[in-house]
Amino acid sequence: QKEVEQDPGPLSVPEGAIVSLNCTYSNSAFQYFMWYRQYSRKGPELLMYTYSSGNKEDGRFTAQVDKSSKYISLFIRDSQPSDSATYLCASTGTASKLTFGTGTRLQVTL
Amino acid sequence: DAGVTQSPTHLIKTRGQQVTLRCSPKSGHDTVSWYQQALGQGPQFIFQYYEEEERQRGNFPDRFSGHQFPNYSSELNVNALLLGDSALYLCASSPGGVGNQPQHFGDGTRLSIL
Repeated sequence: QKEVEQDPGPLSVPEGAIVSLNCTYSNSAFQYFMWYRQYSRKGPELLMYTYSSGNKEDGRFTAQVDKSSKYISLFIRDSQPSDSATYLCASTGTASKLTFGTGTRLQVTL
Repeated sequence: DAGVTQSPTHLIKTRGQQVTLRCSPKSGHDTVSWYQQALGQGPQFIFQYYEEEERQRGNFPDRFSGHQFPNYSSELNVNALLLGDSALYLCASSPGGVGNQPQHFGDGTRLSIL
């Protein structure tokens, strides 16, 4: 079993929709949770960085962590075609080695 | 403010050869991590360098080695290349110090083994 599980998609939504991306993790030592966006032929770009449980909002993006169920979510409001990319969730404990999910490919259509 | 820069962007090698990839961290960052990303997969942690020492290592064989220089830049070396080493190699940098800091990635070096 992988330490971080993520549905690879692809996920296709119409422009303006609310997108929900999810990951589960198994390592109880994970305390820091991240979402990265990766465009084709580019490196991962940090979107959200959270510590422990709770919600964090940044513009159209909301990250949610539920440590009791080991569940990580990213919500994108008013999705745009420019949001089409692969979204990677990542987690780490006190050490700084990141453990990534497989990534979910998102397509926002006009 | 330059972000993380990696060179070269693309590289083609044959089995058995050796390769060196380079990384310059984001300004103000002193910790460099290397990841391997196979097609359709998430990045896998190779190792991390801080103060010119390997601080952590992932599940990669000794064919993978690295170095960090006094200016915080870093190199990843891979010996005896295998077909399975074909991947995108990503460098990430972060500020050192107390606590966990977010890592910022470069655009990677795409390595193809023939």
